[in-house]
Amino acid sequence: KQEVTQIPAALSVPEGENLVLNCSFTDSAIYNLQWFRQDPGKGLTSLLLIQSSQREQTSGRLNASLDKSSGRSTLYIAASQPGDSATYLCAVRLQFSGGYNKLIFGAGTRLAVHP
Amino acid sequence: DAGVIQSPRHEVTEMGQEVTLRCKPISGHDYLFWYRQTMMRGLELLIYFNNNVPIDDSGMPEDRFSAKMPNASFSTLKIQPSEPRDSAVYFCASSFVPHRGNTIYFGEGSWLTVV
Repeated sequence: KQEVTQIPAALSVPEGENLVLNCSFTDSAIYNLQWFRQDPGKGLTSLLLIQSSQREQTSGRLNASLDKSSGRSTLYIAASQPGDSATYLCAVRLQFSGGYNKLIFGAGTRLAVHP
Repeated sequence: DAGVIQSPRHEVTEMGQEVTLRCKPISGHDYLFWYRQTMMRGLELLIYFNNNVPIDDSGMPEDRFSAKMPNASFSTLKIQPSEPRDSAVYFCASSFVPHRGNTIYFGEGSWLTVV
């Protein structure tokens, strides 16, 4: 059974710091991995998607890496800003045949960036 | 596109009442997902549909929960009878077929409180 773990569960940093959020998964047979952001009272917004054949993806100040063999992904946020405060969730998409399709989420990391 | 649209956004109901949550996926998407989010269990996949057909309902908690997708632009999740432990945020999400860079899009959620 695929399990997704995120460390740390919560993080509080001063503005301007570079930070790393960690995600690990138990089964390396994944189709892809996504990082999402969730603001309080809102739905999830996809930040980055890494295919299983890729090593990393970048979008602005965000960089996500994937090491499928070790079951790990990291989300790197450069020069953090108060607007980055949110919960960040990692999700793996399981690979099955015949249209089977499942996204398994970690519990998330609650990030607070203070001025 | 307006994104995934869910209704109601908030509902408070008494134990034993029937609850119906509604979802309109993004036009053209092949897959529709229903997730439930709680503090204790995080995001759990309840059921998903491919081309209006339920593929995997193994996450549906019990017989009190049912989901339908009568056409490509509408789905419902029904709880009858509702119980206080059903209080959660219910998210609907949709996507194209899971290959290449196709991401999954979430609605803003339906916040259910059963008293």
